Amino acid sequence: GAVVSQHPSWVICKSGTSVKIECRSLDFQATTMFWYRQFPKQSLMLMATSNEGSKATYEQGVEKDKFLINHASLTLSTLTVTSAHPEDSSFYICSARRPSGIYEQYFGPGTRLTVT
Amino acid sequence: DAKTTQPTSMDCAEGRAANLPCNHSTISGNEYVYWYRQIHSQGPQYIIHGLKNNETNEMASLIITEDRKSSTLILPHATLRDTAVYYCIVPRGTYKYIFGTGTRLKVLA
Repeated sequence: GAVVSQHPSWVICKSGTSVKIECRSLDFQATTMFWYRQFPKQSLMLMATSNEGSKATYEQGVEKDKFLINHASLTLSTLTVTSAHPEDSSFYICSARRPSGIYEQYFGPGTRLTVT
Repeated sequence: DAKTTQPTSMDCAEGRAANLPCNHSTISGNEYVYWYRQIHSQGPQYIIHGLKNNETNEMASLIITEDRKSSTLILPHATLRDTAVYYCIVPRGTYKYIFGTGTRLKVLA
C-alpha cells in the first residue's frame, strides 16, 4: 500500500512554455501533499505544501505565480511550471501524507524536467 | 526545529551490517525520527521511524539513544541494492520534511 505516482516521468519543453506535473495517491486519500525540487547532486528542497481544497503554502523563496499548485481532490495534486526557463530544469518529486499516519510521507518516483 | 547531522559518506562490505548514525541534539520530547533512502534518480523510500524505543522492521533497525539526541539506522546484511543516500529527518510540527545532505552509502562487493 501507500503508492504515489507521478506523470510524466520525464518531460522536455521549450523555454517560455508551461508544463503540468501530476501527483496521485493510488491507494489512499491524501489530505496533504508536498512538492520538492532536487538539483543534481543536491538534496531535496521543499517547495510547497498542498492541502486539498485550499491554497498551497509556499516555502520562502519559491515563486507562487511561477509554480502553480492545485490540489482539487484527495488523490490528485498538480504542479504547473509556468513560463519555464532552463534554470527550472530539475527533478520534481511529490509526496503524500496519510491522514491517519503520524508524519510519514510516501514519495512519488519523480519527474525530470528539461527546459531547452 | 530539530536539525539533523549525518556523515557525508560511508562504505560497507556486502553482507556486513551497515550502521548509519544521525545526530539530532535539538530534538523535542514529542518529535519523531524518520529514515528514508533515495536510490539514484528515484523518489525517497520510507524505511523506519521511532520516538523513544528501538524499532525493527523487515528493512532495518533503528536504535535511539536514551537522551534521544542521536540515532543509528542498522541495515543488518547490506546488499549492493542498498547503495543509496540515506536521510534522517525530524519533521517539523506541520509535517514538513527538511532534508539535510544525508549519508551516501556505498555497498562494496
